[in-house]
Amino acid sequence: DAKTTQPTSMDCAEGRAANLPCNHSTISGNEYVYWYRQIHSQGPQYIIHGLKNNETNEMASLIITEDRKSSTLILPHATLRDTAVYYCIVRAYTGTASKLTFGTGTRLQVTL
Amino acid sequence: DAGITQSPRYKITETGRQVTLMCHQTWSHSYMFWYRQDLGHGLRLIYYSAAADITDKGEVPDGYVVSRSKTENFPLTLESATRSQTSVYFCASSEGQASYNEQFFGPGTRLTVL
Repeated sequence: DAKTTQPTSMDCAEGRAANLPCNHSTISGNEYVYWYRQIHSQGPQYIIHGLKNNETNEMASLIITEDRKSSTLILPHATLRDTAVYYCIVRAYTGTASKLTFGTGTRLQVTL
Repeated sequence: DAGITQSPRYKITETGRQVTLMCHQTWSHSYMFWYRQDLGHGLRLIYYSAAADITDKGEVPDGYVVSRSKTENFPLTLESATRSQTSVYFCASSEGQASYNEQFFGPGTRLTVL
């Protein structure tokens, strides 16, 4: 799977949009971009994923650049409960097992 | 309740003892995974299973044994625990193996080996 680069930490004011960037310049054509988050002491939680089109669900939006070398996760109205470590993962179907490889992620701190 | 559960949530044991961590999912997902999480390493895959009676090694399998006699259960056994196996262990399940199948994680088991 391609490697990803994320900032170590970010701050966001409550109620504002949180934009979390991810660089995946070596991504291959069959690799999906996944986002998970991990709230302190809990298991990772799936947020969203996409291949090349922008995606939106009830939690977030995922914007993937046209060349697919980077993406941005957008939490439109961050709350204190969104404070967590956010992982950007690039994942391919390998034919054996499409396992997730977690990096160290971005620690998002939402403040009042 | 439906979902994925792990037991125990916390465990303290001694070096050399055998420990089994349990994982149960109610979705009938084919795939199940065991990860460990240590400071500075993120999550690392220990073992995974594609179906009942089919298991395979992940990134860090040494010192661990798994079995999957039933689709819904995927126990992880430390046959002779070592201090280096002190960690938080997460179980996950997935409907399929394709890239578009998200993995759902359990709440974790915090294991301390003294």
